[in-house]
Amino acid sequence: GQNIDQPTEMTATEGAIVQINCTYQTSGFNGLFWYQQHAGEAPTFLSYNVLDGLEEKGRFSSFLSRSKGYSYLLLKELQMKDSASYLCAVTDSNYQLIWGAGTKLIIKP
Amino acid sequence: IAGITQAPTSQILAAGRRMTLRCTQDMRHNAMYWYRQDLGLGLRLIHYSNTAGTTGKGEVPDGYSVSRANTDDFPLTLASAVPSQTSVYFCASSDLTTSINEQFFGPGTRLTVL
Repeated sequence: GQNIDQPTEMTATEGAIVQINCTYQTSGFNGLFWYQQHAGEAPTFLSYNVLDGLEEKGRFSSFLSRSKGYSYLLLKELQMKDSASYLCAVTDSNYQLIWGAGTKLIIKP
Repeated sequence: IAGITQAPTSQILAAGRRMTLRCTQDMRHNAMYWYRQDLGLGLRLIHYSNTAGTTGKGEVPDGYSVSRANTDDFPLTLASAVPSQTSVYFCASSDLTTSINEQFFGPGTRLTVL
């Protein structure tokens, strides 16, 4: 079966750095997405990785290792507005997105 | 402003009733999707359409039907609602001609079936 695992909840302090991990087992791989979802709102695109390595975009970076079936999202200089759920999703061999359950990130002052 | 709209925003529905959730996009995307999101389960694909006139079943299609008469609209119908269909429903669209196929989401419809 297809499976994406990520922690249910994480807590971090404002100004700090947090790493959210995602492991996946899917039928094929055609890219990995990270989305941000604030409570009561729609998911919004954060990053996309299809090759191994690190993609940096401002305070957010995403890493991929295809051989390990592993990705992480790194958030630096945390702000209160970063409190949200972070969704990991993998495009499978049929080009359908398989979604993880999301990681709820709580930022404390 | 380009994007996806969904209606209604929320709805309380008696079990056994028929309900259509509406979704419209103005980005001229060829693909559209319907997801449901339940606590602890993440987004699950109900139905999708890769182009106007075609539809496909996702992970949880039972009890739902869709149609794609044109590029912009992708309504989701619950023929006879049951309490297990209580959920938040998101419509999304994407341009399959791009290399990454990023999906853009509507604001969601919160549906409660009693």
